[in-house]
Amino acid sequence: DAGVIQSPRHEVTEMGQEVTLRCKPISGHDYLFWYRQTMMRGLELLIYFNNNVPIDDSGMPEDRFSAKMPNASFSTLKIQPSEPRDSAVYFCASTQQGNTYEQYFGPGTRLTVT
Amino acid sequence: ELKVEQNPLFLSMQEGKNYTIYCNYSTTSDRLYWYRQDPGKSLESLFVLLSNGAVKQEGRLMASLDTKARLSTLHITAAVHDLSATYFCAVRPYSGGGADGLTFGKGTHLIIQP
Repeated sequence: DAGVIQSPRHEVTEMGQEVTLRCKPISGHDYLFWYRQTMMRGLELLIYFNNNVPIDDSGMPEDRFSAKMPNASFSTLKIQPSEPRDSAVYFCASTQQGNTYEQYFGPGTRLTVT
Repeated sequence: ELKVEQNPLFLSMQEGKNYTIYCNYSTTSDRLYWYRQDPGKSLESLFVLLSNGAVKQEGRLMASLDTKARLSTLHITAAVHDLSATYFCAVRPYSGGGADGLTFGKGTHLIIQP
């Protein structure tokens, strides 16, 4: 089975540009999470969805960040306008209703904003 | 606010030795996870601990959970070089039901030298 798929794997953009990160969860999983990893702040939850509905977006840094999940197999995280401090690795993870709620992580998108 | 503390944050050890990584968390939780991350890679799930006294073992790694002390340990037995990585514990805040975003510790960067 395919794992969580993210694209692009690397993104380099200039400050002020719009950036869109994409994620395809594992088929059948009904929860999707976006995390960000930086050296300074470690791994942080940004937002998560259940059945395509945003449940907790309290980790979204500010209005420049937005996330959508239009269907069960696709989610986007958009940053507009991007800033150098947004440089990080962005991970998408998914899990399914059950006992463990073990989260499976995608390969990540390494974003560099210059 | 849930806080997760790992120690040590850096650990250099010799092959063949034993060591333990500690993970303390600040509020009630019903699920604790251990992940491994290799440099430049994603997070790989190692263990899911669901209840007080839970112990799980895989190869040279053994994880345990004491919910009363809010403490989990990851014990490494007879370390080998291939275990060099960063290890994260992550805690799901107790919320009754359903999945939830995880709060991660800062990670333990483990280097095992021949």
